[in-house]
Amino acid sequence: EPEVTQTPSHQVTQMGQEVILRCVPISNHLYFYWYRQILGQKVEFLVSFYNNEISEKSEIFDDQFSVERPDGSNFTLKIRSTKLEDSAMYFCASEGTGWTGELFFGEGSRLTVL
Amino acid sequence: AQSVTQLGSHVSVSEGALVLLRCNYSSSVPPYLFWYVQYPNQGLQLLLKYTSAATLVKGINGFEAEFKKSETSFHLTKPSAHMSDAAEYFCAVTDSGGSNYKLTFGKGTLLTVNP
Repeated sequence: EPEVTQTPSHQVTQMGQEVILRCVPISNHLYFYWYRQILGQKVEFLVSFYNNEISEKSEIFDDQFSVERPDGSNFTLKIRSTKLEDSAMYFCASEGTGWTGELFFGEGSRLTVL
Repeated sequence: AQSVTQLGSHVSVSEGALVLLRCNYSSSVPPYLFWYVQYPNQGLQLLLKYTSAATLVKGINGFEAEFKKSETSFHLTKPSAHMSDAAEYFCAVTDSGGSNYKLTFGKGTLLTVNP
């Protein structure tokens, strides 16, 4: 069964460092998302991406964040200069050829900022 | 703005007992509503969704949910719990129009099933 894969599963970084989280969505999907979950809190929407551009972003997704689909298969989230409060589980998700609300999530990348 | 409240961060039931996980929503427009499940060390998986068709929605693994507009609720039920149902369950909402690219999730309810 096709699945969304994310790497790394866990990354520890120093405050101020750049981090890139990688995702390989399901191959024929067109909509891509990043969500995050700070420990003990809600799963929060960060950004949606369609047709090689951002469709919508939340207020969390400030200038320190960027997304890219560099090669038609990977979908990356970059945090330019990490802060302590960026520590969270980051989930990538993809959706098929038309909006259905059925997002397929990866297992998540846990980011720890020290 | 939309929001979701899940009552009870942790629900514990015995195997074979009724499962009831509560979700109330707030939305200024007719909502689409979802339940997702997360098994340990896995990503979130769609259980079922309501998108303005039948108000009683059936999902995978014997779960169902009923949309009640008057109560702004979308509670998840299963008549008889199985050990394999132990997981975290998330209710989510999005607009039926306009900004439908994002889901707003609740905080999740951890379901444990006792033998």
